Amino acid sequence: TQLLEQSPQFLSIQEGENLTVYCNSSSVFSSLQWYRQEPGEGPVLLVTVVTGGEVKKLKRLTFQFGDARKDSSLHITAAQPGDTGLYLCAGAYTGTASKLTFGTGTRLQVTL
Amino acid sequence: ETGVTQSPTHLIKTRGQQVTLRCSSQSGHNTVSWYQQALGQGPQFIFQYYREEENGRGNFPPRFSGLQFPNYSSELNVNALELDDSALYLCASSSGGLGANEKLFFGSGTQLSVL
Repeated sequence: TQLLEQSPQFLSIQEGENLTVYCNSSSVFSSLQWYRQEPGEGPVLLVTVVTGGEVKKLKRLTFQFGDARKDSSLHITAAQPGDTGLYLCAGAYTGTASKLTFGTGTRLQVTL
Repeated sequence: ETGVTQSPTHLIKTRGQQVTLRCSSQSGHNTVSWYQQALGQGPQFIFQYYREEENGRGNFPPRFSGLQFPNYSSELNVNALELDDSALYLCASSSGGLGANEKLFFGSGTQLSVL
């Protein structure tokens, strides 16, 4: 049972477009992480958000943690083909930062 | 490169058999976690080992078991394989901190197919 629901499940866009991926839960998390996973590889950590309402930027990627720490979003500006991959959010409860509850994933494809 | 290596990369077994998957942690990391990722889904937490002791377990039956060795490498054993065990098995190492900024470094996984 996935406690974190991501939407959309699939997204196919053209280079230069903007997109937002959502991660929602009924549970409160002490922190939330975003990962990108490419075929044949393990997930790679992009960012960790800890404080409700926190916003972090990583180049063209903007991550936000909801005020109640139950949801998060990932916004990509001017997507590039190199952004293609599976994006996963993962929540951690207090004191268990390395025992993650992963979301269902959003598969992004960016074409030229 | 995360410094976490898993072997084998691919494995085919038949229902009822037993399998052992291996993971070598990143240097300096004393904690290893195992995750199961079924096709089209996010990874699910199986269990974690910290300094050779089990330190938390997800919703997996006892036929999933593990070991961590003094050098912090780890094994995942699955007995009486079922078709639904077909998945990518991921190992992740970390430094063992409890802080929210604890980082996990994942290996590339072992793709297990049960026929």
